[in-house]
Amino acid sequence: NAGVTQTPKFRVLKTGQSMTLLCAQDMNHEYMYWYRQDPGMGLRLIHYSVGEGTTAKGEVPDGYNVSRLKKQNFLLGLESAAPSQTSVYFCASRSRLAGRNNEQFFGPGTRLTVL
Amino acid sequence: GEDVEQSLFLSVREGDSSVINCTYTDSSSTYLYWYKQEPGAGLQLLTYIFSNMDMKQDQRLTVLLNKKDKHLSLRIADTQTGDSAIYFCAERDSSYKLIFGSGTRLLVRP
Repeated sequence: NAGVTQTPKFRVLKTGQSMTLLCAQDMNHEYMYWYRQDPGMGLRLIHYSVGEGTTAKGEVPDGYNVSRLKKQNFLLGLESAAPSQTSVYFCASRSRLAGRNNEQFFGPGTRLTVL
Repeated sequence: GEDVEQSLFLSVREGDSSVINCTYTDSSSTYLYWYKQEPGAGLQLLTYIFSNMDMKQDQRLTVLLNKKDKHLSLRIADTQTGDSAIYFCAERDSSYKLIFGSGTRLLVRP
C-alpha cells in the first residue's frame, strides 16, 4: 500500500496562474482532507470530503476549490494563485470506521510558492 | 471557536525527558491527540487520549490530561536524537474534524 500520495511535491507559480494538486489514497477511506501549513500556525483545514461526490468548506476555503469525483482521489484547485497561498499543502484521509483514535493518515506534502 | 495553543520550541539533552505542553479551549472535546512531523514529511499519529482519562502511557510516551484546566502534555522519556521533530497537539471537534495547535519543535542535543 502506498498510503496517501500527493502530486506534485514542489511547484512554483506566478501570481494569477492556476493549478491543481492531486491527492490519492489506496486505503478505501471515505473521508479526505486538504490542509495548509504555514510557519507558526499549525495546520488549517481548507476543504474536506466525507465521500465520493461530496465536499465541504473548512476553516480557510477562500481561493480554493475541490472535487471528489472518485473515492480515492481528492483534488485541490487554485483558480488564480496569490502570494498569500504560498504554503505547504497536506492531504489526509481516514476511514469512516476510524473509531476512537480518529486517525488521519497524511501525505508527504506539496510545497507551493507563488511569486 | 476552538483554539489549541502550544509553545513553539523545546531543546533537551539526549537521554533526558521532554515535556511538551498544550492548552485547548473546547471543553466538549472527547479525544485529544499528539501527532509527530519529521522534516519533509507529513504528520503521523503518535498517541491519543480520551477525555475521561487522566493519563495514558505507551512505552516511552506518557500523556497527561487535566480536563479542568484544559491542559494536555506529552512526556517523552529517555529522549533520543530520532525524536527531534515537530509535535502537534490536536483536539477533535463536535463534527469529528481535528483542530491543530501550531506545533512544538523539539530539538534533541547529543
